[in-house]
Amino acid sequence: EVQLVQSGAEVKKPGESLQISCSGSEYIFANYWIGWVRQMPGKGLEWMGSIYPSDSDTRYSPSFQGQVTMSADKSISTAYLQWSALKASDTAIYYCAVGEELQFLEWSRYWGQGTLLTVSS
Amino acid sequence: EVVMTQSPATLSVSPGERATLSCRASHSVSINFAWYQQTPGQAPRLLIYDASTRATGIPARFRGSGSGTDFTLIISSLQSEDVAVYYCQQYNNWPWTFGQGTKVEIK
Repeated sequence: EVQLVQSGAEVKKPGESLQISCSGSEYIFANYWIGWVRQMPGKGLEWMGSIYPSDSDTRYSPSFQGQVTMSADKSISTAYLQWSALKASDTAIYYCAVGEELQFLEWSRYWGQGTLLTVSS
Repeated sequence: EVVMTQSPATLSVSPGERATLSCRASHSVSINFAWYQQTPGQAPRLLIYDASTRATGIPARFRGSGSGTDFTLIISSLQSEDVAVYYCQQYNNWPWTFGQGTKVEIK
């Protein structure tokens, strides 16, 4: 079965950079769109965007365009979410999720365990 | 952006009773619609996609219905393990958007 394992919790200061990861296994990584979802403390879910590891085609939600960078390295079956200058408002849990093979990610039955990011001075 | 509005915010239901959750979209999303369940400290779990198709392994007591702008999730006989926050999601218009969630409690 599809497995998604995310990198561990992070505590960073405002202005610092960060990259978190999502490693996939038990499926053909390149063939599945991967999405990122944010959950701020005590709040609901927000779709940030999706990337297709096969060709790195990336779609960002307008709210997150320019705020984060998504990338993927299909040679090591890992997707990344990157910030160049963190803000306190980036404090959240970030989930990765995959869609169905060869289809744009619309809904997901497979989710990572989440990465908790805390940004505080 | 399509705004998804869920009601009620909190639902208290006795064990074995029916729970009815609603979600309304600001624009028609056809049947491009999903429901998720999230328990504390866990990732979301897909329950329903395409408005009414149960995901693999989801008990039959979960039933989704609706199309266009109005959708319903019915839990026919509430179990203790169904205590969670339930989110709706549309995938008809990019960006995909979620509702704010309905918290289901045991009365």
